[in-house]
Amino acid sequence: DADVTQTPRNRITKTGKRIMLECSQTKGHDRMYWYRQDPGLGLRLIYYSFDVKDINKGEISDGYSVSRQAQAKFSLSLESAIPNQTALYFCATSDLGRGSTDTQYFGPGTRLTVL
Amino acid sequence: GQNIDQPTEMTATEGAIVQINCTYQTSGFNGLFWYQQHAGEAPTFLSYNVLDGLEEKGRFSSFLSRSKGYSYLLLKELQMKDSASYLCAALSDSNYQLIWGAGTKLIIKP
Repeated sequence: DADVTQTPRNRITKTGKRIMLECSQTKGHDRMYWYRQDPGLGLRLIYYSFDVKDINKGEISDGYSVSRQAQAKFSLSLESAIPNQTALYFCATSDLGRGSTDTQYFGPGTRLTVL
Repeated sequence: GQNIDQPTEMTATEGAIVQINCTYQTSGFNGLFWYQQHAGEAPTFLSYNVLDGLEEKGRFSSFLSRSKGYSYLLLKELQMKDSASYLCAALSDSNYQLIWGAGTKLIIKP
């Protein structure tokens, strides 16, 4: 089984709809991240969480919100989707414990299309 | 500001060697990562350097010079499956976030 899973894998929605993307991990990591990737722009950080009670905005948080329901679960919501939020979304986890290098491990991605 | 620069695209021949360069500027520095990403798939971890020098892992090696803000990924004995994007990312120690480059698309020709 995959260590980091994302649901759904693909989603097509309409402008104005509320969308939730979910991420679960079995790696036991405290840190979780949400990124979006657009062609030619690389990965951009939306939100990150270093533990269940810690939520931080990334460089492009406008239009998004998150919830860290448990150590293993981190959800991303688009309250009112707009076409320029069409992108590939990745969840990632990392662990800065003793002997760790804070390497990030990624889920398979969610391809979101907003019409 | 914080910035990562790497070439947009490179082409190489199967069986050859290619070097992908990356320069970085970050607020503090706590390590340099290289990831491989095939089209439409998730990035996968390749290497991590925090000290100056060369780290070798099979056909892939990664080099870091902290004083120059410079790293490279060296791929030997290229195979067609190495066709992918290679992402360079620097870990800032001011907020423990990764600063990502836009990636280098590597095209391997027979």
